[in-house]
Amino acid sequence: GIQVEQSPPDLILQEGANSTLRCNFSDSVNNLQWFHQNPWGQLINLFYIPSGTKQNGRLSATTVATERYSLLYISSSQTTDSGVYFCAVKPLWGKLQFGAGTQVVVTP
Amino acid sequence: DAGVTQSPTHLIKTRGQQVTLRCSPKSGHDTVSWYQQALGQGPQFIFQYYEEEERQRGNFPDRFSGHQFPNYSSELNVNALLLGDSALYLCASSLSLAVDIGEQFFGPGTRLTVL
Repeated sequence: GIQVEQSPPDLILQEGANSTLRCNFSDSVNNLQWFHQNPWGQLINLFYIPSGTKQNGRLSATTVATERYSLLYISSSQTTDSGVYFCAVKPLWGKLQFGAGTQVVVTP
Repeated sequence: DAGVTQSPTHLIKTRGQQVTLRCSPKSGHDTVSWYQQALGQGPQFIFQYYEEEERQRGNFPDRFSGHQFPNYSSELNVNALLLGDSALYLCASSLSLAVDIGEQFFGPGTRLTVL
């Protein structure tokens, strides 16, 4: 099956800092989603981005499908950004495959 | 617009018992997928239901079974529970399109503990 690698595995940021999370995948995909999992386990949709660039407030994402990677940018981080960020990819009519996640801690 | 809902939120069972988890999809969605998330790991795909039939299945034993109802809601059943079945069970809903399913939206999960 398709392999998904996220880096870094852990990230500690001071409030106000910027950061970039990376997601590499091993095959062509029809769907790529970024999620934020809060401490209670809820997966919150951040981006549905099989290709191109999108922005939503302080967050933005870029997927380069031909090179099989996606980047999630967090700018001016806040303590509420803490949690685990997951990248998940899906080939055409295949299953959604998650990476292992990036644990982000934002300190005041 | 109600999102994906799941019940119950928490459940404690003993080894060998059976459990049923429930999911109602987001309004307008017709496809339900179930995932298991062990502590410290990403969610793993169990199976997907569309038009009341199992459309895809991940690498889970037959002890895991499901059902989808005409109103698109779904159940996940696990028989002969093992300690290793302790996990967060997530339900996701989406809309089936001509070329694939669309963006998936997740419920809050059911945390199952097997003692």
